[in-house]
Amino acid sequence: GQQLNQSPQSMFIQEGEDVSMNCTSSSIFNTWLWYKQDPGEGPVLLIALYKAGELTSNGRLTAQFGITRKDSFLNISASIPSDVGIYFCAGRYGGSQGNLIFGKGTKLSVKP
Amino acid sequence: DAGITQSPRHKVTETGTPVTLRCHQTENHRYMYWYRQDPGHGLRLIHYSYGVKDTDKGEVSDGYSVSRSKTEDFLLTLESATSSQTSVYFCAISGLAGSTDTQYFGPGTRLTVL
Repeated sequence: GQQLNQSPQSMFIQEGEDVSMNCTSSSIFNTWLWYKQDPGEGPVLLIALYKAGELTSNGRLTAQFGITRKDSFLNISASIPSDVGIYFCAGRYGGSQGNLIFGKGTKLSVKP
Repeated sequence: DAGITQSPRHKVTETGTPVTLRCHQTENHRYMYWYRQDPGHGLRLIHYSYGVKDTDKGEVSDGYSVSRSKTEDFLLTLESATSSQTSVYFCAISGLAGSTDTQYFGPGTRLTVL
């Protein structure tokens, strides 16, 4: 079946540093979504991307829909302790609403 | 807050017993989804609904059934729970405005099958 490769799996960063994570696939996607999940809670939508090449920001977060439609990245600038959590990418392929698949997540830990 | 609630939030049950989880939305979204989240697997789709009484299977539908008799409620049933169904279950909704692709998640239900 379809798979998303999300990297890195985990990362430790110093407060104030910039962070970058990405998702890749061998298949073409129509939509890319980025979520953050805190312990014990549901994923919260950060950014949604609908067009190849699209670059969208949400505060200190920036995400891009790759030109090839097979990848997306998320950048966090000037990280702070509350950025800790697990970040998931999700991509939709094909025409069915059931065709949204998720990466396995990037666990972000920030050293205060 | 996308107006989604899940009940119960935690449940412990025994193997072989039936279990029903409820997802309730207050915002009239057309689409509703059930996912399970397990370490090493991320989020995987169980079933989804595209309208009242309209449902379809997802990637991991075996052992689960769903029902949607009203727009606001989507029920997930484990007819005979097994230990492999111990997981965290999330409901999601989409389709009210903008892209139908954009899914919003509920707080989750942690299910333990002993």
